[in-house]
Amino acid sequence: EVHLVESGGGLVQPGGSLRLSCSASGFSFSDHTMNWVRQAPGKGLEWISFISSSSGSTQYYADSVKGRFTISRDNAKNSLYLQMESLRDEDTALYYCGRGYGSGSWLIANWGQGTLVTVSS
Amino acid sequence: EIVLTQSPGTLSLSPGERATLSCRASQSVSDNYLAWFQQKPGQAPRLLIYEASIRATGIPDRISGSGSGTDFSLTISRLEPEDFAVYYCQHYGGLPRTFGQGTKVEIK
Repeated sequence: EVHLVESGGGLVQPGGSLRLSCSASGFSFSDHTMNWVRQAPGKGLEWISFISSSSGSTQYYADSVKGRFTISRDNAKNSLYLQMESLRDEDTALYYCGRGYGSGSWLIANWGQGTLVTVSS
Repeated sequence: EIVLTQSPGTLSLSPGERATLSCRASQSVSDNYLAWFQQKPGQAPRLLIYEASIRATGIPDRISGSGSGTDFSLTISRLEPEDFAVYYCQHYGGLPRTFGQGTKVEIK
């Protein structure tokens, strides 16, 4: 069974940094693309980042986080990361990691339960 | 950027009734790479439909997707109590991979 567990969320001041992690199990992690999607309190879903399978050499970002967030993966640890810098109030959200359907797929087939990031002074 | 507009915002129906949700794209969705997700309160989204009409694993056949180009729909033929939730469409054929704003299906 596919299992994704996010961690690393918390309260951070505007301008601060945070690193989110997503621990994966139940599938061959290196064979799947991965994503981060966030949801502000009471709002809809916003895709923010994608990383390719295997080496993770290809990354994409939403304009709202480009230049501030960095996605990465460690296949040996079955883990996905999101390094967040220069955080703003509007980055407050529940952050989900999502597993791609396959090695080249852009479809998000499975989701974790999310980790909450609160940006506030 | 493809903007996805879902309608209606809220659908008030009774169990057993048919629900039809719409997702309209501002430009054609390549290869019909359009997905539907269900989200219940306090839960993560769940994939229901991909490539506009293919049911994901474990999704009952009372849930179906259709459409192409810019107009897509999700139909639940007979609402069960577990179907009352928020539904999102998303295109995943290009960048950025935008979501619609969601349709809430509530019990009437």
